[in-house]
Amino acid sequence: RKEVEQDPGPFNVPEGATVAFNCTYSNSASQSFFWYRQDCRKEPKLLMSVYSSGNEDGRFTAQLNRASQYISLLIRDSKLSDSATYLCVVNSPVYQLIWGAGTKLIIKP
Amino acid sequence: DVKVTQSSRYLVKRTGEKVFLECVQDMDHENMFWYRQDPGLGLRLIYFSYDVKMKEKGDIPEGYSVSREKKERFSLILESASTNQTSMYLCASSFRGAGGEKLFFGSGTQLSVL
Repeated sequence: RKEVEQDPGPFNVPEGATVAFNCTYSNSASQSFFWYRQDCRKEPKLLMSVYSSGNEDGRFTAQLNRASQYISLLIRDSKLSDSATYLCVVNSPVYQLIWGAGTKLIIKP
Repeated sequence: DVKVTQSSRYLVKRTGEKVFLECVQDMDHENMFWYRQDPGLGLRLIYFSYDVKMKEKGDIPEGYSVSREKKERFSLILESASTNQTSMYLCASSFRGAGGEKLFFGSGTQLSVL
């Protein structure tokens, strides 16, 4: 089992819809969690950190479920510019960032 | 804005060649990293460094070495390039301490080994 797993997609979603995807992690001692966004042929960029209580940044909401060991990202009112690959990152206790392979999101007009 | 600059966007090399990938950051970050990214595998850590002249192996160091003679520069060396090292190579930096998980990436080097 991979340490961090994501559905590769692609998720094809009409503009304006809400979309959510999850990321599961295997190490229950993992301490911090992040979502990065990577546009086609570009470098990853931090989208948001994921806090225990859940957090929101505009149209984006991130949540952590420690009991089931997954994090989620929800995008409301999706825009064409949201099309990208979303990478889940988990920070293990020995300060090692473990990256998921990413979920590809395509927003269609 | 933090800038992480990688010396080449595309590189084509032959099997057995020695390859140098250079990375420079301008934000005085202590931490620097080299990753490779392959389809379906996510980013895999090759080497990282927390300080000048310091280096630590990541998950896949075999076939690679690194050099960090100055704080702003972290070089990745392929001693004898092989076809299975064809990949996208990403350099990143971050500062030490709280929030250090926020990585700033260079734009990547797509290396093809023929």
